[in-house]
Amino acid sequence: DGGITQSPKYLFRKEGQNVTLSCEQNLNHDAMYWYRQDPGQGLRLIYYSQIVNDFQKGDIAEGYSVSREKKESFPLTVTSAQKNPTAFYLCASSKNRGMSQETQYFGPGTRLLVL
Amino acid sequence: QKEVEQNSGPLSVPEGAIASLNCTYSDRGSQSFFWYRQYSGKSPELIMFIYSNGDKEDGRFTAQLNKASQYVSLLIRDSQPSDSATYLCAVIPSGNTPLVFGKGTRLSVIA
Repeated sequence: DGGITQSPKYLFRKEGQNVTLSCEQNLNHDAMYWYRQDPGQGLRLIYYSQIVNDFQKGDIAEGYSVSREKKESFPLTVTSAQKNPTAFYLCASSKNRGMSQETQYFGPGTRLLVL
Repeated sequence: QKEVEQNSGPLSVPEGAIASLNCTYSDRGSQSFFWYRQYSGKSPELIMFIYSNGDKEDGRFTAQLNKASQYVSLLIRDSQPSDSATYLCAVIPSGNTPLVFGKGTRLSVIA
């Protein structure tokens, strides 16, 4: 069964703590993306990667870090520098046949809450 | 800043009616346009994409694109209560950049 998995479904962060959100896909997609969604807001791009070992900052990268060591995996770390991390985090992937026609497919999301 | 604008709603329509959702975008060079549906607490799912001016139909859904007016819309015929969700418009702007999303329009179909 092909798809995108995210874990955990819910994550609780304490003050000053770094936490890592997992995103795995078995769709053989080249590109992967991380978005943040706040209530009443659209999706805002945090980071994206079009190929293994390469990634670019999105619109709101401050306080976040990523790695892309494997094609299937694109973990997101929310660092202690992110002062307002409570949000719904969505991972997506696309085939990367050419950016002009990239259809993105989403994982189920991780909801991050601050204790 | 390349922007995508949607009316936040809620847009309320009676069951069986046509729901019309609208989206405008700022980058005239935008190339590809997508509609996603998002149920409360869930992730977005792709409904349709459209690349060329005109209409594209898929079942009860029709996407309409007018690049001259920088306008894309989604029509839902025979609306059902199960269509109640937030609809996100997304656009790939010019240059090698990823999707830009609007904030979404909340649709409520009243039985």
